[in-house]
Amino acid sequence: QKEVEQNSGPLSVPEGAIASLNCTYSDRGSQSFFWYRQYSGKSPELIMFIYSNGDKEDGRFTAQLNKASQYVSLLIRDSQPSDSATYLCAAGYTGGFKTIFGAGTRLFVKA
Amino acid sequence: NAGVMQNPRHLVRRRGQEARLRCSPMKGHSHVYWYRQLPEEGLKFMVYLQKENIIDESGMPKERFSAEFPKEGPSILRIQQVVRGDSAAYFCASSSRENTEAFFGQGTRLTVV
Repeated sequence: QKEVEQNSGPLSVPEGAIASLNCTYSDRGSQSFFWYRQYSGKSPELIMFIYSNGDKEDGRFTAQLNKASQYVSLLIRDSQPSDSATYLCAAGYTGGFKTIFGAGTRLFVKA
Repeated sequence: NAGVMQNPRHLVRRRGQEARLRCSPMKGHSHVYWYRQLPEEGLKFMVYLQKENIIDESGMPKERFSAEFPKEGPSILRIQQVVRGDSAAYFCASSSRENTEAFFGQGTRLTVV
């Protein structure tokens, strides 16, 4: 059973701090990893994807991938109250054709 | 520049009725995924389709649920004889190729009364 695990949270950080969201996956065959943000009552919105080991930066967001440890993370610098949402980690499986989602981590950024 | 379009946005059905959820993928996308999200839970994969083919339906309940993606027209997720436990948000996503980033529609919120 392929799984993607996330801490459900909630993770609470003060405004301006770095929020660190973590995710592990069970199948070493997965090759692509995605972070989605979902506001309450809304649909998931893709914010980052990463395919290679290391870091990938986009504005205030940095995705980190460590395939040896089967670990993916998302760092949000200078967190804003508008970043408060549920963050979904997802792994794509070549040959399996479907993307598996974690249950999501709720992030609260306190003003 | 339409994204993934789902309709209806909200659907209310009585127990035993049928629910039909529609999804039109983004232009140029031929891969469609359906997910279900129960209240306060994460997304659960249901089915992956390409035009006229079901590629992976391992997340679909064995009974009452079916999906199609015809050559012309939207993808349809059909739930027969709905029960209260089917109440959820159903999201459709599309991608241009397998194993690449998928973009989501706004979802259909099904309420079974």
